[in-house]
Amino acid sequence: EVQLVESGGALVQPGGSLRLSCLGSGFTFSDYTMNWFRQAPGKGLEWVAHISNGGITTYYADSVKGRFTISRDNAKNSMYLQMDSLRAEDTAVYYCGRGYYWGQGTLVTVSS
Amino acid sequence: QLTQSPSPLSASVGDRVTITCRASQDISTYLAWYQQKPGKAPNLLIYDASTLQTGVPSRFSGSGSGTDFTLTISSLQPEDFATYYCHQLDSFPLTFGGGTQVEI
Repeated sequence: EVQLVESGGALVQPGGSLRLSCLGSGFTFSDYTMNWFRQAPGKGLEWVAHISNGGITTYYADSVKGRFTISRDNAKNSMYLQMDSLRAEDTAVYYCGRGYYWGQGTLVTVSS
Repeated sequence: QLTQSPSPLSASVGDRVTITCRASQDISTYLAWYQQKPGKAPNLLIYDASTLQTGVPSRFSGSGSGTDFTLTISSLQPEDFATYYCHQLDSFPLTFGGGTQVEI
C-alpha cells in the first residue's frame, strides 16, 4: 500500500524558513516523480513543486519560485521542501503526492 | 486551466448528481477526481478519468477524455456531502478545478 507521511509543519514568522519532509513507503521511491501541493485555509488546492525520480528536474509554481526548493534523498525514501522568505499567504496545509496519491498533510502557519 | 461546474450544487439523498470539469486544452485522460470533507485531506475517487480507486463505492463513476469530463454519483448518500475537485496531471503547472461543494 502506498503511504506518504509529511512532517515539519510549524508556526513561523514572516521572512522565516522551514523545511518539510515527506517519507514514502509501500513502493519503490526512486521509480517515481513526486510533487508538493498546498491548501490555504478555506481555499482550493494548489500545486507547489515537482521533482523527477532522479532529482535532476524540478518545476515550481510562480507563487513560490525563487523562495522554495524541492529535493529528495532516494536512499532515505524521502522528499523535502525548503521554504525560505515565508509570507503570510504561504499559510496552508502542505501535502506531498506521488501521482494521484497524497499524504495527510502538515500545517504551516506564517504569522507574527 | 480547469473549469468546474456547478458550484455549489444543491441536492437530496438519492439524487443522481453530475459534476463537470472542462480543460482549456487537450489533457487526454490525465484527470483525477477527489472528495474532500472539512478538516480532512483530499480522498482519491477516480483516476485516469474513469478508473475507480480501490475501496471507493461503485455509485461513483467518471467519464470523458480530451477537454470534457464528468463525475457522476448515481444515488447520493448522506456521507457524499462534501467538496469535489478535478485535477489534471497532463502538463505543468498541474492544476485543479475550483471545487464543487455538494450541499443539502
